[in-house]
Amino acid sequence: DAGVIQSPRHEVTEMGQEVTLRCKPISGHNSLFWYRQTMMRGLELLIYFNNNVPIDDSGMPEDRFSAKMPNASFSTLKIQPSEPRDSAVYFCASSPLAGVGETQYFGPGTRLLVL
Amino acid sequence: GENVEQHPSTLSVQEGDSAVIKCTYSDSASNYFPWYKQELGKGPQLIIDIRSNVGEKKDQRIAVTLNKTAKHFSLHITETQPEDSAVYFCAASVDSGYALNFGKGTSLLVTP
Repeated sequence: DAGVIQSPRHEVTEMGQEVTLRCKPISGHNSLFWYRQTMMRGLELLIYFNNNVPIDDSGMPEDRFSAKMPNASFSTLKIQPSEPRDSAVYFCASSPLAGVGETQYFGPGTRLLVL
Repeated sequence: GENVEQHPSTLSVQEGDSAVIKCTYSDSASNYFPWYKQELGKGPQLIIDIRSNVGEKKDQRIAVTLNKTAKHFSLHITETQPEDSAVYFCAASVDSGYALNFGKGTSLLVTP
């Protein structure tokens, strides 16, 4: 099993540019999560999908952030326009079943730097 | 919402010693408590988890204990090795939800 795949692994962009982060969950997993990790705030859940449907996006910080999951094997997190305070490591995680107590498997993350 | 506090933020031990990391949570409805290990440049990886109907769980050198009355749970690593050096995160999840609420992490350094 290849695990959760994220791309790119590193992204450096200038303020105001659009950024798109990509995620391929583990095959057969029904749930997908996007997290953001910063030194100040730790790991924060941004959005959660179940069976490709967004269930809870209350963690999305602003309208500049959007996420999609067009099919079971692909999700994107887009920031438009990007700002320096968006600099963080963004993780995608997937889980085999929805609900509490199901192990979440994390990808390697995308390290984003907005100048 | 759920608030998870984790202590200490940094921990340094000598190889062979034990390490203990403690977490407290605020929502009494939480019933799932996983621990993740994050190595440099990698995503968090689950190392052990415990559910509210169990007080203790062991897996080789790693153990987790849960005190639901006091709303705290702990990670114990015995016979530490340099490869145990990493950041460890605790998390809690409420019964009706799915979201993992993470602590701020503990940076563990095991020196030879």
